[in-house]
Amino acid sequence: SQQGEEDPQALSIQEGENATMNCSYKTSINNLQWYRQNSGRGLVHLILIRSNEREKHSGRLRVTLDTSKKSSSLLITASRAADTASYFCATAGAGSYQLTFGKGTKLSVIP
Amino acid sequence: DTGVSQDPRHKITKRGQNVTFRCDPISEHNRLYWYRQTLGQGPEFLTYFQNEAQLEKSRLLSDRFSAERPKGSFSTLEIQRTEQGDSAMYLCASSLGQEPKGETQYFGPGTRLLVL
Repeated sequence: SQQGEEDPQALSIQEGENATMNCSYKTSINNLQWYRQNSGRGLVHLILIRSNEREKHSGRLRVTLDTSKKSSSLLITASRAADTASYFCATAGAGSYQLTFGKGTKLSVIP
Repeated sequence: DTGVSQDPRHKITKRGQNVTFRCDPISEHNRLYWYRQTLGQGPEFLTYFQNEAQLEKSRLLSDRFSAERPKGSFSTLEIQRTEQGDSAMYLCASSLGQEPKGETQYFGPGTRLLVL
């Protein structure tokens, strides 16, 4: 079963705009990871944020984590057509190394 | 290429046949994971190895599924008596194995299985 839920399920924006995706989860976590998946391909790791961290940046990506609300957000700034993909959040719970994924947000960036 | 590799990339089989997939993790990684992903869904955890020891198994891993990592390097996932519901992308991932609270998992390209 999926723990996380991404919101929105689909997002369509113009190139150059910012894209924000949200993730909510149900149980306490050790870390939360965001992945990107191009159609029919493997997953590419974007960012890992630990439960004691609130914000992380990597290039055009910004991830926030609010453990009190059990939620995270991924912001992609100045989007490009190449950012078109599905984005998944995945959580690692206490005492387990398995990742539990949401259903993903499908992002379309229109040139 | 030093990433996670999987073989084959695609497999078409008839219902009732056995299939085996192989995963080669990143060379210094101690932890290896198998996930399954169906269309429109996120990946679902199947099993995890620390070196050669299989430490976690999902309830999704029925008795028709078996995974091995005999020498703590590559791993195989076998599905016996395949069913149409087994059609999915099978993803392998590996991680360094140094963080007690979890770490980045690096995924391979996946093996897409179609059971006719």
